[in-house]
Amino acid sequence: NAGVTQTPKFQVLKTGQSMTLQCAQDMNHEYMSWYRQDPGMGLRLIHYSVGAGITDQGEVPNGYNVSRSTTEDFPLRLLSAAPSQTSVYFCASTAAWGNEQFFGPGTRLTVL
Amino acid sequence: GDSVTQMEGPVTLSEEAFLTINCTYTATGYPSLFWYVQYPGEGLQLLLKATKADDKGSNKGFEATYRKETTSFHLEKGSVQVSDSAVYFCALSSSGGGADGLTFGKGTHLIIQP
Repeated sequence: NAGVTQTPKFQVLKTGQSMTLQCAQDMNHEYMSWYRQDPGMGLRLIHYSVGAGITDQGEVPNGYNVSRSTTEDFPLRLLSAAPSQTSVYFCASTAAWGNEQFFGPGTRLTVL
Repeated sequence: GDSVTQMEGPVTLSEEAFLTINCTYTATGYPSLFWYVQYPGEGLQLLLKATKADDKGSNKGFEATYRKETTSFHLEKGSVQVSDSAVYFCALSSSGGGADGLTFGKGTHLIIQP
């Protein structure tokens, strides 16, 4: 099992550009989440999904879109990048919320 | 809403010292509690967890006990090693109501000196 994979590992964008951060898992987990990690802030939940076709907002959803067309994939879209979105982004999956969440290696995004 | 408060770092200790990292929480219902560890340049890994009151999670010499009366889940280790240097996150997963996913503390950077 590859677990949770994320691409790209690093990305630099200019303000106003759009891009998609990819996340895939091969553990057949129903639940997937996106977090951003900022210095001194811990990890904050952006969006999450409880199954294919079902998504919901977390703590900091503004400026991001998600979709879940398959169990395996959960891409995160930045519609118009802003410097405030400079962060490290982690995708995670779990079989149930009370269980361990498995994290991907992260994507380090810089918006100029 | 749910929240997790943990001691801010960095925490610097000498090798073989005793470690305590404090964590307290606020949550509705009966949350599951977790400690995750992040080594430099890597993602988060589960260190230990507890799912109900008085449960003790343990792994790699680390322990934490779920104390409902004090809403705490303090991380302890009797003798730390240089390889324990990392950032440690306390987190909870609420079993009822509100947004799903994990609620994290801000993280504690632990530095172990030889």
